[in-house]
Amino acid sequence: DVKVTQSSRYLVKRTGEKVFLECVQDMDHENMFWYRQDPGLGLRLIYFSYDVKMKEKGDIPEGYSVSREKKERFSLILESASTNQTSMYLCASSFNSGSGSYNEQFFGPGTRLTVL
Amino acid sequence: AQSVTQLDSHVSVSEGTPVLLRCNYSSSYSPSLFWYVQHPNKGLQLLLKYTSAATLVKGINGFEAEFKKSETSFHLTKPSAHMSDAAEYFCVVIQKEGTALIFGKGTTLSVSS
Repeated sequence: DVKVTQSSRYLVKRTGEKVFLECVQDMDHENMFWYRQDPGLGLRLIYFSYDVKMKEKGDIPEGYSVSREKKERFSLILESASTNQTSMYLCASSFNSGSGSYNEQFFGPGTRLTVL
Repeated sequence: AQSVTQLDSHVSVSEGTPVLLRCNYSSSYSPSLFWYVQHPNKGLQLLLKYTSAATLVKGINGFEAEFKKSETSFHLTKPSAHMSDAAEYFCVVIQKEGTALIFGKGTTLSVSS
């Protein structure tokens, strides 16, 4: 089974701190994604990556950056955490089959971040 | 631009009765559509997906969905609800392989005994 793991289930940080959220997948997937989930808003895409060292902005990239130095690992960075970044953060991965089929994304369990 | 609208934020049913969760989509191209489920304190799990093959798609746990292009709908159904079906359900669209998913805002399904 595909496994997507996230470094923490719960995290509490203070305003202004630099925060790192780590995501690792074990299926050699090319694509990796970071979403945030807020009640009544569904999931919104922050950043995604098609390959090592490649990154693309999603719908809400402001206040975030990402790093993908290795294929299996995709990090989300909050340069200076703010209270409005309190949320559930979900990482996902998928592979490129090259056959035109649309592949599902596999999600990690999420990290619930609270910024005080 | 593509988008997804889930028409009900909350649906309540009794155990053993049918489930209907409604989803409409907007897309410039032929979309791929998914339903994901999220149980409390669990990760998102794929229920089923439509990728331009059969319009009636069967998924896990007895769920199915029908793609209706004329109505731009992809409603999720189950003939008989079970208590374990209580969860949040997301309708999702993707237009191009590898690009991110666009999620609806979710429908919370409650099942009473």
